[in-house]
Amino acid sequence: EIVMTQSPVTLSLSPGERATLSCRASQSVGYNLAWYQQKPGQPPRLLFFGASTRATGLPARFSGSGSGTEFTLTISSLQSEDFALYFCQQYYNWPLTFGGGTKVEIK
Amino acid sequence: EVQLEESGGGLVQPGGSLRLSCGASGFTFSNYAMTWVRQAPGKGLEWVAAISGSGYRTYYGDSVKGHFIISRDNRRNTLYLQMTSLRVEDSALYYCAKRIYGGDDSGSFDLWGQGTMVTVSS
Repeated sequence: EIVMTQSPVTLSLSPGERATLSCRASQSVGYNLAWYQQKPGQPPRLLFFGASTRATGLPARFSGSGSGTEFTLTISSLQSEDFALYFCQQYYNWPLTFGGGTKVEIK
Repeated sequence: EVQLEESGGGLVQPGGSLRLSCGASGFTFSNYAMTWVRQAPGKGLEWVAAISGSGYRTYYGDSVKGHFIISRDNRRNTLYLQMTSLRVEDSALYYCAKRIYGGDDSGSFDLWGQGTMVTVSS
């Protein structure tokens, strides 16, 4: 099983600041990496697939990068609606696995 | 409208069984692999099982292999999860989700339901 590790667990930032979230895989997953955002009481929302391909309607302030074992989700300037939980997921092989999540909270 | 709607959750005793359903609408259901993902209260996401668009191929997480069965009825546009020998640790909100593109079975998921809660307790 590929273990996905996200860091930090919590990110405390102010609106307008830049957020950098990390996701590390225990072995290479190529570009087979997705990012999701989840807000309280809602299901996950797909942000990126293929490590850097933006899902429909995603604002340009979000970017995804990386390959192999190291991946990054960047939010260039945090808006109020961006404070949420973020998960990465590998789909390189079975079983599919998610990272433990990073909570982006208001400082 | 493109949507997924789960049902069938509830309170069940340890060792009991439950069948979850996920009704799909607004897209050609049989073209897409589908998956179940669960989330215990206050916890992260755990992938449970997946099934190909045809239903011929199934995949399971290690924690549910042998006691959950995923299936689908493409005529009824419905996904199922038959859960048996339920344990306390199976308690979670169960989401169904659609693979973003047709074709392959693995991938990311662009459409999610609101989830159905399963509580296993005596």
